Amino acid sequence: GENVEQHPSTLSVQEGDSAVIKCTYSDSASNYFPWYKQELGKGPQLIIDIRSNVGEKKDQRIAVTLNKTAKHFSLHITETQPEDSAVYFCAATDRGSTLGRLYFGRGTQLTVWP
Amino acid sequence: NAGVTQTPKFRILKIGQSMTLQCAQDMNHNYMYWYRQDPGMGLKLIYYSVGAGITDKGEVPNGYNVSRSTTEYFPLRLELAAPSQTSVYFCASRWGSRGGQETQYFGPGTRLLVL
Repeated sequence: GENVEQHPSTLSVQEGDSAVIKCTYSDSASNYFPWYKQELGKGPQLIIDIRSNVGEKKDQRIAVTLNKTAKHFSLHITETQPEDSAVYFCAATDRGSTLGRLYFGRGTQLTVWP
Repeated sequence: NAGVTQTPKFRILKIGQSMTLQCAQDMNHNYMYWYRQDPGMGLKLIYYSVGAGITDKGEVPNGYNVSRSTTEYFPLRLELAAPSQTSVYFCASRWGSRGGQETQYFGPGTRLLVL
Protein backbone atom coordinates (compact mmCIF):
# COMPACT_ATOMS: atom_id res chain seq x y z
CA GLY A 1 0.00 0.00 0.00
CA GLU A 2 0.85 3.68 -0.04
CA ASN A 3 3.33 5.12 2.49
CA VAL A 4 3.29 8.84 3.21
CA GLU A 5 6.16 10.47 5.08
CA GLN A 6 5.78 13.98 6.52
CA HIS A 7 8.41 16.40 7.85
CA PRO A 8 8.98 18.16 10.13
CA SER A 9 6.95 16.80 13.03
CA THR A 10 7.06 20.19 14.77
CA LEU A 11 7.57 23.67 13.35
CA SER A 12 7.74 26.99 15.16
CA VAL A 13 7.72 30.30 13.29
CA GLN A 14 7.34 33.95 14.11
CA GLU A 15 4.15 35.65 13.05
CA GLY A 16 4.54 36.96 9.52
CA ASP A 17 7.15 34.40 8.51
CA SER A 18 6.55 31.56 6.07
CA ALA A 19 6.09 27.89 6.97
CA VAL A 20 6.80 24.90 4.73
CA ILE A 21 5.76 21.31 5.38
CA LYS A 22 6.98 18.52 3.12
CA CYS A 23 5.59 15.08 2.30
CA THR A 24 6.74 12.18 0.17
CA TYR A 25 4.69 9.26 -1.10
CA SER A 26 5.61 5.85 -2.42
CA ASP A 27 2.81 4.72 -4.75
CA SER A 28 3.06 6.19 -8.26
CA ALA A 29 -0.67 5.47 -8.70
CA SER A 30 -1.55 8.18 -6.18
CA ASN A 31 -2.96 11.20 -7.96
CA TYR A 32 -4.80 13.25 -5.37
CA PHE A 33 -3.09 15.01 -2.46
CA PRO A 34 -5.16 16.86 0.15
CA TRP A 35 -3.94 18.80 3.15
CA TYR A 36 -5.92 18.86 6.37
CA LYS A 37 -5.73 21.24 9.32
CA GLN A 38 -6.67 19.94 12.75
CA GLU A 39 -7.27 22.40 15.54
CA LEU A 40 -7.18 21.30 19.14
CA GLY A 41 -10.15 19.12 20.04
CA LYS A 42 -11.58 19.10 16.52
CA GLY A 43 -11.61 16.83 13.51
CA PRO A 44 -9.36 17.40 10.49
CA GLN A 45 -10.61 19.94 7.98
CA LEU A 46 -9.57 20.14 4.34
CA ILE A 47 -7.69 23.36 3.56
CA ILE A 48 -6.31 22.72 0.09
CA ASP A 49 -5.76 19.86 -2.33
CA ILE A 50 -3.95 19.19 -5.57
CA ARG A 51 -4.34 16.68 -8.35
CA SER A 52 -1.50 15.08 -10.22
CA ASN A 53 -2.19 16.94 -13.46
CA VAL A 54 -1.07 20.27 -11.94
CA GLY A 55 2.18 21.31 -10.33
CA GLU A 56 1.00 24.12 -8.06
CA LYS A 57 -2.18 25.48 -6.55
CA LYS A 58 -2.74 28.63 -4.49
CA ASP A 59 -5.50 29.82 -2.23
CA GLN A 60 -4.73 33.18 -0.64
CA ARG A 61 -1.87 32.58 1.84
CA ILE A 62 -1.74 28.85 1.25
CA ALA A 63 -0.11 27.04 -1.66
CA VAL A 64 0.69 23.45 -2.46
CA THR A 65 3.32 22.19 -4.90
CA LEU A 66 3.65 18.73 -6.39
CA ASN A 67 6.64 17.02 -7.99
CA LYS A 68 5.38 13.75 -9.46
CA THR A 69 8.80 12.62 -10.63
CA ALA A 70 10.28 12.89 -7.15
CA LYS A 71 7.01 11.84 -5.50
CA HIS A 72 6.88 14.72 -3.11
CA PHE A 73 4.48 17.56 -2.36
CA SER A 74 4.67 20.53 -0.03
CA LEU A 75 2.42 22.97 1.80
CA HIS A 76 3.48 26.61 1.93
CA ILE A 77 1.87 29.12 4.29
CA THR A 78 2.92 32.73 3.88
CA GLU A 79 2.44 35.63 6.30
CA THR A 80 1.64 33.23 9.10
CA GLN A 81 -0.78 34.27 11.83
CA PRO A 82 -1.33 32.85 15.33
CA GLU A 83 -4.61 31.29 14.16
CA ASP A 84 -2.58 29.14 11.74
CA SER A 85 -1.31 27.23 14.78
CA ALA A 86 -2.61 23.66 14.45
CA VAL A 87 -1.61 20.16 13.36
CA TYR A 88 -1.37 19.79 9.59
CA PHE A 89 -1.70 16.44 7.83
CA CYS A 90 -0.83 15.57 4.28
CA ALA A 91 -2.51 12.66 2.57
CA ALA A 92 -2.46 10.77 -0.71
CA THR A 93 -4.89 8.58 -2.61
CA ASP A 94 -5.62 7.05 -5.97
CA ARG A 95 -8.77 8.73 -7.32
CA GLY A 96 -9.37 5.73 -9.54
CA SER A 97 -9.65 3.27 -6.66
CA THR A 98 -13.06 2.12 -5.51
CA LEU A 99 -12.25 2.60 -1.84
CA GLY A 100 -10.87 6.11 -2.15
CA ARG A 101 -9.16 5.81 1.20
CA LEU A 102 -6.66 8.44 2.26
CA TYR A 103 -3.17 7.56 3.43
CA PHE A 104 -2.07 10.14 5.98
CA GLY A 105 1.30 11.44 7.07
CA ARG A 106 2.00 11.61 10.80
CA GLY A 107 1.25 15.31 11.06
CA THR A 108 3.15 18.54 11.72
CA GLN A 109 2.47 20.63 14.81
CA LEU A 110 2.77 24.24 13.62
CA THR A 111 3.12 26.96 16.25
CA VAL A 112 3.04 30.60 15.22
CA TRP A 113 4.40 32.96 17.87
CA PRO A 114 3.02 36.51 18.00
CA ASN B 1 -26.43 20.71 7.48
CA ALA B 2 -24.84 19.43 10.68
CA GLY B 3 -22.25 17.55 8.63
CA VAL B 4 -20.68 14.58 10.42
CA THR B 5 -21.62 14.20 14.07
CA GLN B 6 -20.14 11.82 16.64
CA THR B 7 -21.16 10.80 20.12
CA PRO B 8 -19.96 10.60 22.81
CA LYS B 9 -17.17 13.20 22.87
CA PHE B 10 -15.30 11.42 25.62
CA ARG B 11 -15.61 8.08 27.36
CA ILE B 12 -13.68 6.07 29.93
CA LEU B 13 -14.02 2.29 29.72
CA LYS B 14 -12.76 -0.47 31.93
CA ILE B 15 -10.85 -3.35 30.35
CA GLY B 16 -13.31 -5.89 28.98
CA GLN B 17 -16.25 -3.52 28.68
CA SER B 18 -18.01 -2.88 25.40
CA MET B 19 -19.35 0.25 23.79
CA THR B 20 -20.63 1.69 20.54
CA LEU B 21 -19.31 4.90 19.04
CA GLN B 22 -22.01 6.67 17.10
CA CYS B 23 -21.53 8.44 13.78
CA ALA B 24 -24.12 10.17 11.65
CA GLN B 25 -23.98 12.32 8.52
CA ASP B 26 -26.74 14.32 6.87
CA MET B 27 -25.04 14.94 3.52
CA ASN B 28 -26.33 11.76 1.85
CA HIS B 29 -22.76 10.55 1.40
CA ASN B 30 -22.34 6.98 0.25
CA TYR B 31 -18.82 6.46 1.62
CA MET B 32 -18.16 6.42 5.35
CA TYR B 33 -14.97 5.69 7.25
CA TRP B 34 -13.72 5.09 10.76
CA TYR B 35 -10.18 6.17 11.67
CA ARG B 36 -8.21 6.11 14.88
CA GLN B 37 -5.58 8.68 15.72
CA ASP B 38 -2.79 7.90 18.16
CA PRO B 39 -0.33 10.54 19.45
CA GLY B 40 2.34 11.40 16.89
CA MET B 41 0.76 9.16 14.29
CA GLY B 42 -1.42 9.82 11.33
CA LEU B 43 -4.92 8.48 11.00
CA LYS B 44 -5.26 4.75 10.58
CA LEU B 45 -8.28 3.29 8.80
CA ILE B 46 -10.30 0.84 10.89
CA TYR B 47 -13.37 0.09 8.75
CA TYR B 48 -15.13 1.65 5.83
CA SER B 49 -18.41 1.43 3.97
CA VAL B 50 -19.23 2.21 0.35
CA GLY B 51 -22.97 2.22 0.96
CA ALA B 52 -25.76 0.90 3.13
CA GLY B 53 -25.28 -2.81 3.78
CA ILE B 54 -21.67 -2.85 2.55
CA THR B 55 -18.71 -2.70 4.92
CA ASP B 56 -15.12 -3.86 4.82
CA LYS B 57 -11.96 -3.89 6.90
CA GLY B 58 -9.29 -1.24 6.82
CA GLU B 59 -5.74 -1.66 8.07
CA VAL B 60 -6.43 -1.97 11.83
CA PRO B 61 -9.82 -3.75 12.23
CA ASN B 62 -9.01 -6.15 15.07
CA GLY B 63 -11.19 -5.60 18.14
CA TYR B 64 -13.82 -3.60 16.25
CA ASN B 65 -17.01 -4.20 14.32
CA VAL B 66 -19.25 -2.00 12.21
CA SER B 67 -22.66 -2.03 10.61
CA ARG B 68 -24.28 0.21 8.00
CA SER B 69 -28.02 -0.39 7.85
CA THR B 70 -28.80 3.10 6.55
CA THR B 71 -26.98 5.77 4.58
CA GLU B 72 -26.87 8.15 7.54
CA TYR B 73 -25.45 6.00 10.35
CA PHE B 74 -22.21 4.10 10.71
CA PRO B 75 -21.66 2.92 14.30
CA LEU B 76 -18.38 1.42 15.48
CA ARG B 77 -18.58 -1.32 18.07
CA LEU B 78 -15.79 -2.15 20.52
CA GLU B 79 -16.04 -5.57 22.10
CA LEU B 80 -13.88 -6.43 25.12
CA ALA B 81 -12.07 -3.08 25.33
CA ALA B 82 -8.29 -3.21 25.75
CA PRO B 83 -5.78 -0.48 26.75
CA SER B 84 -4.43 -0.59 23.18
CA GLN B 85 -7.76 0.86 22.02
CA THR B 86 -7.15 4.08 23.93
CA SER B 87 -7.22 6.60 21.11
CA VAL B 88 -9.18 9.34 19.41
CA TYR B 89 -11.69 8.00 16.90
CA PHE B 90 -12.82 9.94 13.86
CA CYS B 91 -15.68 9.20 11.55
CA ALA B 92 -15.58 10.63 8.02
CA SER B 93 -17.79 10.62 4.97
CA ARG B 94 -17.70 11.63 1.32
CA TRP B 95 -19.75 11.41 -1.80
CA GLY B 96 -17.87 9.53 -4.42
CA SER B 97 -17.67 7.18 -7.27
CA ARG B 98 -14.61 5.96 -9.08
CA GLY B 99 -12.69 9.10 -9.97
CA GLY B 100 -15.28 11.32 -8.35
CA GLN B 101 -15.38 13.73 -5.42
CA GLU B 102 -12.64 12.93 -2.98
CA THR B 103 -13.12 15.42 -0.15
CA GLN B 104 -13.66 13.64 3.11
CA TYR B 105 -15.54 15.45 5.85
CA PHE B 106 -14.57 14.54 9.39
CA GLY B 107 -16.55 14.52 12.60
CA PRO B 108 -15.25 16.15 15.81
CA GLY B 109 -13.95 12.85 17.21
CA THR B 110 -14.53 10.62 20.23
CA ARG B 111 -11.77 10.43 22.80
CA LEU B 112 -11.65 6.98 24.38
CA LEU B 113 -9.64 5.97 27.43
CA VAL B 114 -9.47 2.31 28.42
CA LEU B 115 -8.21 1.63 31.93
